[in-house]
Amino acid sequence: NAGVTQTPKFQVLKTGQSMTLQCAQDMNHEYMSWYRQDPGMGLRLIHYSVGAGITDQGEVPNGYNVSRSTTEDFPLRLLSAAPSQTSVYFCASSLSETDTQYFGPGTRLTVL
Amino acid sequence: GEDVEQSLFLSVREGDSSVINCTYTDSSSTYLYWYKQEPGAGLQLLTYIFSNMDMKQDQRLTVLLNKKDKHLSLRIADTQTGDSAIYFCAEIPLYGGSQGNLIFGKGTKLSVKP
Repeated sequence: NAGVTQTPKFQVLKTGQSMTLQCAQDMNHEYMSWYRQDPGMGLRLIHYSVGAGITDQGEVPNGYNVSRSTTEDFPLRLLSAAPSQTSVYFCASSLSETDTQYFGPGTRLTVL
Repeated sequence: GEDVEQSLFLSVREGDSSVINCTYTDSSSTYLYWYKQEPGAGLQLLTYIFSNMDMKQDQRLTVLLNKKDKHLSLRIADTQTGDSAIYFCAEIPLYGGSQGNLIFGKGTKLSVKP
């Protein structure tokens, strides 16, 4: 198993550009989530999904969209990038929402 | 709402024991986790404990839970330079508005001096 994979590892955007951060897992996990990590802030939940076709907002959802068309994939879309979205983004998955979550290696995003 | 608090820094000498502390505010039913993050890397699950347990030991790691005070600690015995990292305490409330979502502390940066 590859576990949780994320692409790209690094990305630089200009303000106003859009992009999609990819996340995939091969463990047949129902629950997937996106976090952002900022210095001194820990990790904060952006969006999550309890299964294909079901998504919901976390603590900091503004400026981000998600969809879950398959069990394996959970992409995160930035519609119009802003400097405040400069962060490290982590995807995680688990069997269910109350099971242990496993994290991907992260995507480091810089918005200029 | 739910909150998880940790001290931000801890410095120890190689070979000593490290104790990283965490407090949480959620009600009784919750899982509590310790994750390790090395520089530039993702989060690695170290261990977890359910809130009806008092202690869990896994090789050099000992987790102690004081349910009355909602206090969790991670003890690393014989700390090595490779243990230098940021350690995150996290909880999953089983009930309430944040049900099923990991709530993280801000992380404790452990520095191990040779």
